[in-house]
Amino acid sequence: SAVISQKPSRDICQRGTSLTIQCQVDSQVTMMFWYRQQPGQSLTLIATANQGSEATYESGFVIDKFPISRPNLTFSTLTVSNMSPEDSSIYLCSVEEGLETDTQYFGPGTRLTVL
Amino acid sequence: GQQVMQIPQYQHVQEGEDFTTYCNSSTTLSNIQWYKQRPGGHPVFLIQLVKSGEVKKQKRLTFQFGEAKKNSSLHITATQTTDVGTYFCAASASGSRLTFGEGTQLTVNP
Repeated sequence: SAVISQKPSRDICQRGTSLTIQCQVDSQVTMMFWYRQQPGQSLTLIATANQGSEATYESGFVIDKFPISRPNLTFSTLTVSNMSPEDSSIYLCSVEEGLETDTQYFGPGTRLTVL
Repeated sequence: GQQVMQIPQYQHVQEGEDFTTYCNSSTTLSNIQWYKQRPGGHPVFLIQLVKSGEVKKQKRLTFQFGEAKKNSSLHITATQTTDVGTYFCAASASGSRLTFGEGTQLTVNP
């Protein structure tokens, strides 16, 4: 399976600032995904990042708050903009492997705390 | 989007006891997947079930997909402390994205 890295692994940020999270994959993948996992909760899909096109956002998530870049087939960034304490969460990127399955392989996650 | 209900939310067992978590959907599913997340870790894919009535085993873990493809279970026989973590089911129906259940947090007392 693909090896996925994320930077930073954790950060503590002030209210009103923005943080960009990077996701790097060791192989070319068509689809990359960004999830949010609040403490003790399940995983919620934020958006799907496709190379060469705009990201597709899930209900409740908007581009102004969570802009995403996907400059090539191995890299993506998620920015959490104008942060508030409610944005404190773990942010995970993931990829699908295989053409016939939507199985997800996750990066290690970025633990964000907003003060 | 579809809802995937998972029970129980928490389960505490003594080492050596069995453990089962259940996942239910009101809609017919294309496939169901199971993931394990260790404390402080990220979700790791365990298995995917696709066929009606399918049963798969991985050592002490038994995964089952219901005949109607609306429910699934994960059963662990004789739990060990290494089984500690949160187990998530994730399901997709035709034309929809993968949806994760709420997870079952398993603790094992040695």
